[in-house]
Amino acid sequence: GEDVEQSLFLSVREGDSSVINCTYTDSSSTYLYWYKQEPGAGLQLLTYIFSNMDMKQDQRLTVLLNKKDKHLSLRIADTQTGDSAIYFCAEHGNKLVFGAGTILRVKS
Amino acid sequence: NAGVTQTPKFRVLKTGQSMTLLCAQDMNHEYMYWYRQDPGMGLRLIHYSVGEGTTAKGEVPDGYNVSRLKKQNFLLGLESAAPSQTSVYFCASSYIRSPLAKNIQYFGAGTRLSVL
Repeated sequence: GEDVEQSLFLSVREGDSSVINCTYTDSSSTYLYWYKQEPGAGLQLLTYIFSNMDMKQDQRLTVLLNKKDKHLSLRIADTQTGDSAIYFCAEHGNKLVFGAGTILRVKS
Repeated sequence: NAGVTQTPKFRVLKTGQSMTLLCAQDMNHEYMYWYRQDPGMGLRLIHYSVGEGTTAKGEVPDGYNVSRLKKQNFLLGLESAAPSQTSVYFCASSYIRSPLAKNIQYFGAGTRLSVL
């Protein structure tokens, strides 16, 4: 079945770039998403990318997609303490499948 | 515009008790979902609905029932709660124009349920 894998934890210093990685197995994925979950809250969509794109940039966020390797990454430039959260990757093939989430900790 | 609202926010149950979690959305979305979130396991789909009066099983449906009597509401029921159902439950809704279109889901703030 479909599976989405993410690393569990990432710690960065304020002002550095953060890169969160995700791998997925469903080659029929049409869209891939990044969601952010702040403490005590639900998930909020950060950005998404269509499967025929390699890259998408949105202010401090850059999404890279390597469809051949089924690898997705989210780069956050100039990471701030407010970026501390759990980040979920999700892929949309036959259904929407979420990864387990990456905890991003930003040290000031 | 409230988006997706879940009630209650917290609940503690004893094993064998029943309860209903309510989800309401004001975005006129056709699709609604119930997930559970457990540490290290991400979100797992319990049940979902593609429209008023319809429901379908997700990945982990056992021990739960759902109803969608009105388009804006999606209820999740636990008939006889078990400690394994201790989790954080999220409701979501989305508008999907076609099967291949993007599926952006809007989430509620969650319900923390403990079953003792």
